[in-house]
Amino acid sequence: AQSVTQPDIHITVSEGASLELRCNYSYGATPYLFWYVQSPGQGLQLLLKYFSGDTLVQGIKGFEAEFKRSQSSFNLRKPSVHWSDAAEYFCAVAGFGNEKLTFGTGTRLTIIP
Amino acid sequence: EPEVTQTPSHQVTQMGQEVILRCVPISNHLYFYWYRQILGQKVEFLVSFYNNEISEKSEIFDDQFSVERPDGSNFTLKIRSTKLEDSAMYFCASSGTGDKFNQPQHFGDGTRLSIL
Repeated sequence: AQSVTQPDIHITVSEGASLELRCNYSYGATPYLFWYVQSPGQGLQLLLKYFSGDTLVQGIKGFEAEFKRSQSSFNLRKPSVHWSDAAEYFCAVAGFGNEKLTFGTGTRLTIIP
Repeated sequence: EPEVTQTPSHQVTQMGQEVILRCVPISNHLYFYWYRQILGQKVEFLVSFYNNEISEKSEIFDDQFSVERPDGSNFTLKIRSTKLEDSAMYFCASSGTGDKFNQPQHFGDGTRLSIL
């Protein structure tokens, strides 16, 4: 069965600082990997996805993520955060068939001035 | 940009009553999903639906739950006899204009279901 671990429940960074959110997955083959963002009272917005090919993927809002098979990781990065990036971030994995998404518990990002 | 639309945004229901949550997926999508998020917990998969039938369901999706695509645009989740533990945010998602293997799921804003 597939699973996702997001080890950081809550991260606080200063506006303009760099950001890295950690995600580790468990799946027996090459997974489909996603990052979603959820602002308060809102739905889940897709930031980026990895299906195959280049292991460094670019997403919306200046985010990127790198798939590292050897570490079973798919960490999300942004070089300079903005106050509007404050939200909950979810890493998700799908297995063969790309149907059932399994989510991590999420990382809540707080931005301080 | 096309969106997944869910109604209502908030539903309050007495325990034991039936509830129907409605979703309008993105118009040319072929795969449809329901997820739920109990307050403070992770988002959990409930069911996937394709070609007018369930393709996969989780252990949460028991006989109290059913899904339907009654027409060409709506996708519904019915809970027959609600329990207190059904209180959660329910998300609808859709994907796939043809090849689901390269299409991400797009989510609606959710329906918050409160069981009294």
